[in-house]
Amino acid sequence: GENVEQHPSTLSVQEGDSAVIKCTYSDSASNYFPWYKQELGKRPQLIIDIRSNVGEKKDQRIAVTLNKTAKHFSLHITETQPEDSAVYFCAASGRYSTLTFGKGTMLLVSP
Amino acid sequence: EAQVTQNPRYLITVTGKKLTVTCSQNMNHEYMSWYRQDPGLGLRQIYYSMNVEVTDKGDVPEGYKVSRKEKRNFPLILESPSPNQTSLYFCASSFQGALGTDTQYFGPGTRLTVL
Repeated sequence: GENVEQHPSTLSVQEGDSAVIKCTYSDSASNYFPWYKQELGKRPQLIIDIRSNVGEKKDQRIAVTLNKTAKHFSLHITETQPEDSAVYFCAASGRYSTLTFGKGTMLLVSP
Repeated sequence: EAQVTQNPRYLITVTGKKLTVTCSQNMNHEYMSWYRQDPGLGLRQIYYSMNVEVTDKGDVPEGYKVSRKEKRNFPLILESPSPNQTSLYFCASSFQGALGTDTQYFGPGTRLTVL
């Protein structure tokens, strides 16, 4: 089945810096790659997603890039703010549209 | 309001006592899924359902059962809970579009402790 690796497991940045989280996947048939943000004690919430027919997608301070050939995708957050502190999960849709998640990245943004 | 609901939100039980965690969505989604979340392991899929009466195992199905008799409901059943099933459980749902998976919406979570 699908396997998703996510790095780093923790990331500390200063407010205003950029943050990059990287994921790789194993199933070349995967075609949907969402990113979720989970604040402490809350449910995961979608922040951005990308499909395999697109190489990059941006939404204000957040962007996702996808390299299908290398089977990796990345989340970029610019001008980080303390409220960006959370756990971020990448995921990839395997066969039958199921989602496989990475193990998560804890992002800490210091004021 | 479009939402996924789960009940109960918190549950403490003892080994071997059957329990059911309910999940309901009001968005007419075809796809529903159960995940468990454990520290350092991320979200792991237990079971999923592509539509009514269609269910399949995820990555960690042992010790769990599900049913999908109605489109809106997808209960998770633990016939004989054990301490290793202590975890945070999330239900999720989504449309199944022409391109495959669509955005998955998560329920608020159920924190289960098995003593």
